[in-house]
Amino acid sequence: KNEVEQSPQNLTAQEGEFITINCSYSVGISALHWLQQHPGGGIVSLFMLSSGKKKHGRLIATINIQEKHSSLHITASHPRDSAVYICAVYPDKLIFGTGTRLQVFP
Amino acid sequence: DVKVTQSSRYLVKRTGEKVFLECVQDMDHENMFWYRQDPGLGLRLIYFSYDVKMKEKGDIPEGYSVSREKKERFSLILESASTNQTSMYLCASTRLAGTYEQYFGPGTRLTVT
Repeated sequence: KNEVEQSPQNLTAQEGEFITINCSYSVGISALHWLQQHPGGGIVSLFMLSSGKKKHGRLIATINIQEKHSSLHITASHPRDSAVYICAVYPDKLIFGTGTRLQVFP
Repeated sequence: DVKVTQSSRYLVKRTGEKVFLECVQDMDHENMFWYRQDPGLGLRLIYFSYDVKMKEKGDIPEGYSVSREKKERFSLILESASTNQTSMYLCASTRLAGTYEQYFGPGTRLTVT
């Protein structure tokens, strides 16, 4: 069993929809990262969090340390949000989930 | 604007060739990492370095070596490329491991034929 599980693996949405991507992990961590990877490969860090909630523009990330669960929300989704979203946790090294592929259609 | 650059975006090599992938960061970061990314497997750590001339094996170091002669440069070496090393290779750097943001390079898609 993977130490980091993301769901769903694939997600399609219409422009404007509210999107939620989930990440569950099985190890104790000191931090959790959400990353975005566009077609072509480049990865950008969206959030790093160890408790509570963070917001940046239309993106919101939450974490529940007791339940070992994090969510990434996208409000008012747009086709430019189409990407792979990756969750990574840090116990003593970064452990990555396999990603959620999001496609947002106009 | 912080930057991690990789020497090539696409590379095609033949089985048995020695392959060098270079990564340069301009942020004076101590830690640098090499990952490979394969469909369905996510990113896997090959090697990392926390200082000049220091290196540590990651989860899948077999068939690879690394070199860090200068703080800003971290090289990944495939001594004798094999077809199972066809993959996307990503370099990253961070000031301190784990609890700080990792900055990634654009990736090198390597094909070994």
